[in-house]
Amino acid sequence: GENVEQHPSTLSVQEGDSAVIKCTYSDSASNYFPWYKQELGKGPQLIIDIRSNVGEKKDQRIAVTLNKTAKHFSLHITETQPEDSAVYFCAAQLRGSQGNLIFGKGTKLSVKP
Amino acid sequence: NAGVMQNPRHLVRRRGQEARLRCSPMKGHSHVYWYRQLPEEGLKFMVYLQKENIIDESGMPKERFSAEFPKEGPSILRIQQVVRGDSAAYFCASSPDSDLREKLFFGSGTQLSVL
Repeated sequence: GENVEQHPSTLSVQEGDSAVIKCTYSDSASNYFPWYKQELGKGPQLIIDIRSNVGEKKDQRIAVTLNKTAKHFSLHITETQPEDSAVYFCAAQLRGSQGNLIFGKGTKLSVKP
Repeated sequence: NAGVMQNPRHLVRRRGQEARLRCSPMKGHSHVYWYRQLPEEGLKFMVYLQKENIIDESGMPKERFSAEFPKEGPSILRIQQVVRGDSAAYFCASSPDSDLREKLFFGSGTQLSVL
């Protein structure tokens, strides 16, 4: 089955710096890759997603890149702010497995003012 | 437009009791999913339901766990004869019945504690 590895497990940056979180997946049949932000005591919130027919997607300070050949995808946050502090999860979905997301173990991002 | 509503937020049960977790999807969403999250772990898929149908239950434990999404009312995740290992956060998500249906919107979860 699909396996998603996520690195680093913790990341600390200064406000205004960039943050990069990387994920790899094992099954080339995966075709949908969302990223979720989870704040303490809350449910995961979808922040950006990308499909396998696209290499890069950007939404304001957040961007995601996908390398299908290498089977890895990354989240980039620029100009980080203290409110970006949270746990970020990447996920992958196999083609034909609606709603069955395989999640990474998460990255705890701390943005220091 | 209210988000995915889950209740209760916290549920304490003793070993051997039953736990019932409820989830109301976002308005207009007909797809419901249940996930479980252990401390310091990512979410694990359990089950995918549409109204009156279980579509994918490949992540559900074979015993003691069941889920339903009736024609009227919320989706229910039921855990019978709970054990300490069932302690976790249980999240429900929903998605619309459209080209956007792969986008899952999660509720705030139910934290189940088994004493």
